[in-house]
Amino acid sequence: DAGVTQSPTHLIKTRGQQVTLRCSPKSGHDTVSWYQQALGQGPQFIFQYYEEEERQRGNFPDRFSGHQFPNYSSELNVNALLLGDSALYLCASSLFWGRGTEEETQYFGPGTRLLVL
Amino acid sequence: AQSVTQLDSQVPVFEEAPVELRCNYSSSVSVYLFWYVQYPNQGLQLLLKYLSGSTLVESINGFEAEFNKSQTSFHLRKPSVHISDTAEYFCAVRVRYGGSQGNLIFGKGTKLSVKP
Repeated sequence: DAGVTQSPTHLIKTRGQQVTLRCSPKSGHDTVSWYQQALGQGPQFIFQYYEEEERQRGNFPDRFSGHQFPNYSSELNVNALLLGDSALYLCASSLFWGRGTEEETQYFGPGTRLLVL
Repeated sequence: AQSVTQLDSQVPVFEEAPVELRCNYSSSVSVYLFWYVQYPNQGLQLLLKYLSGSTLVESINGFEAEFNKSQTSFHLRKPSVHISDTAEYFCAVRVRYGGSQGNLIFGKGTKLSVKP
């Protein structure tokens, strides 16, 4: 049973460019959440997707957008990259209607490390 | 709004010594509680969680945490640490909704360094 997978593992971009990160959830999960982890910090919630719609959003600008596909995989897009966008981007998957059980627990992928020069 | 405070940014200990990593949270509503571990240059791995039931929860590698509602704490403990426990540990909370999802709110992390 494959866990959460993310691609690419590393990425280098320059300021002003656009980037797309990809995530495939754990088998059986239907919800994908994205987090940004800056160096030396805890992860910060960006947004969450369920049934191909953004369900919740953290305090991130509109430059951060996402998409979820019918197979539950997801993309995170960041436009007009800034130096401050350099971070580890983590994807987590879970089951939306788990009713407080194991399935509602969020499981994380290995992350994509983005460096903006 | 919910918040998580991890009181120690770094905890150095000797191998086979006991350790406690402290976590306090603030929330006016019921929450789920989690500890995640992050090894260097890796993503987050779930270590243990409190969803309901017994307030003492254990992991397969000897860690345990106790949910204390009155103290709003979820401290992580291990009676005897190994070199391989060296990692960064994150405490996280999520609000209990009526069957719907909510985002995780993380503390800033505690770096556990186990010395021989």
